[in-house]
Amino acid sequence: QSALTQPPSASGSPGQSVTISCTGTSSDVGAYKYVSWYQHHPGKAPRLMIYEVSKRPSGVPDRFSGSKSGNTASLTVSGLQAEDEADYYCSSYAGSNTYVFGTGTTVTVL
Amino acid sequence: EVQLVESGGGSVQPGGSLRLSCVASGFSFSHNWMSWVRQAPGKGLEWVANIKQDGSEKNYVDSVRGRLTISRDNAKNSLYLQMNSLRAEDTAVYYCASHTFTAFDYWGQGTLVTVSS
Repeated sequence: QSALTQPPSASGSPGQSVTISCTGTSSDVGAYKYVSWYQHHPGKAPRLMIYEVSKRPSGVPDRFSGSKSGNTASLTVSGLQAEDEADYYCSSYAGSNTYVFGTGTTVTVL
Repeated sequence: EVQLVESGGGSVQPGGSLRLSCVASGFSFSHNWMSWVRQAPGKGLEWVANIKQDGSEKNYVDSVRGRLTISRDNAKNSLYLQMNSLRAEDTAVYYCASHTFTAFDYWGQGTLVTVSS
């Protein structure tokens, strides 16, 4: 039940793209297609942005996209906007109805 | 509109107890798995526990097993977390969240638990 590894920070100018990695193991990220991503503005409820690696819930802009290769998943935010500045967390199913989150990445829009 | 509203947080001494509650509205509470997720100060999110729709299955992260107990009352659309033998490292904002098998789709705004002497 170790946390998934994310870079502490990422940044980009408005309109640019930023990609956040999420590295787990063959027991979580590598084993299942159940990686999800959350946007969290401090003091607010986290918001689901991506589920099942690359699917977007209704209402999430298509600027947000996800992928996975082996034990590493990625979230890409294209066309960065000021409101994208937030903390982002990945999560993976880890078997036996348990879950694990990533360490979190703070995205800064320069 | 989906709403999850947590309550019951506060300050408690090490070894003490607290009971968190989460009231749900705007979705079929009894049809969803429910979880508690916490965020310690300056740290990331940590999944703590979950409970199946009918309460027949409960799962916990190793660090809380035996001290924290998750439960639910579908008639009251409510989720609970009984927290016993609290430690300083349990200090965190506790969020309730509904989830499908694959993702946590709805979240509350959290309630702060502080364990300190």
